[in-house]
Amino acid sequence: DVKVTQSSRYLVKRTGEKVFLECVQDMDHENMFWYRQDPGLGLRLIYFSYDVKMKEKGDIPEGYSVSREKKERFSLILESASTNQTSMYLCASSSVFEGTGDYEQYFGPGTRLTVT
Amino acid sequence: DQQVKQNSPSLSVQEGRISILNCDYTNSMFDYFLWYKKYPAEGPTFLISISSIKDKNEDGRFTVFLNKSAKHLSLHIVPSQPGDSAVYFCAASEAQGAQKLVFGQGTRLTINP
Repeated sequence: DVKVTQSSRYLVKRTGEKVFLECVQDMDHENMFWYRQDPGLGLRLIYFSYDVKMKEKGDIPEGYSVSREKKERFSLILESASTNQTSMYLCASSSVFEGTGDYEQYFGPGTRLTVT
Repeated sequence: DQQVKQNSPSLSVQEGRISILNCDYTNSMFDYFLWYKKYPAEGPTFLISISSIKDKNEDGRFTVFLNKSAKHLSLHIVPSQPGDSAVYFCAASEAQGAQKLVFGQGTRLTINP
């Protein structure tokens, strides 16, 4: 079974703090993603990475950065946390089904971040 | 602008009956669609997908229908079971290999015994 793990389930930080959210996958997937989930808005893509040291902006990258030094690990960084970054953060990795080109993204359990 | 829309925030269905969840999209470049299920305090889990070359895909109790001309897809669950109670998200991407997904807002499905 694919496993995507996130370093914390719940996190409380103060405004202005630097926050690191870690994600590790164990299936040798090339692609990894960070989303945030907010009520009424669904999941929105923050950043994604197709390979080690590569990153691309998603739909809402402002206020965030990422790091991918190893294939299995993808970190999300909030340089200076703000209250509007209080949210559920979800990491995912993906594989492609050979032959069909179909794919699915596997998600971690999420980190509920509260910024006060 | 919401490119993928799930206009029903919630749906309640009797156990054993059919559940139909709907999703509309506006971007005609979308060509790959997925449905995910999410329980509280867990990450979403993949249910079923469909590419734009098909109009139907089945997997057990789950069937996804795609109507490209209407830019509409639906997920049918038959028969509905109590364990199906969850939030369901549809998602779409522009190119099958790009894997950059755009999600809808989600529909909370409740199956009543």
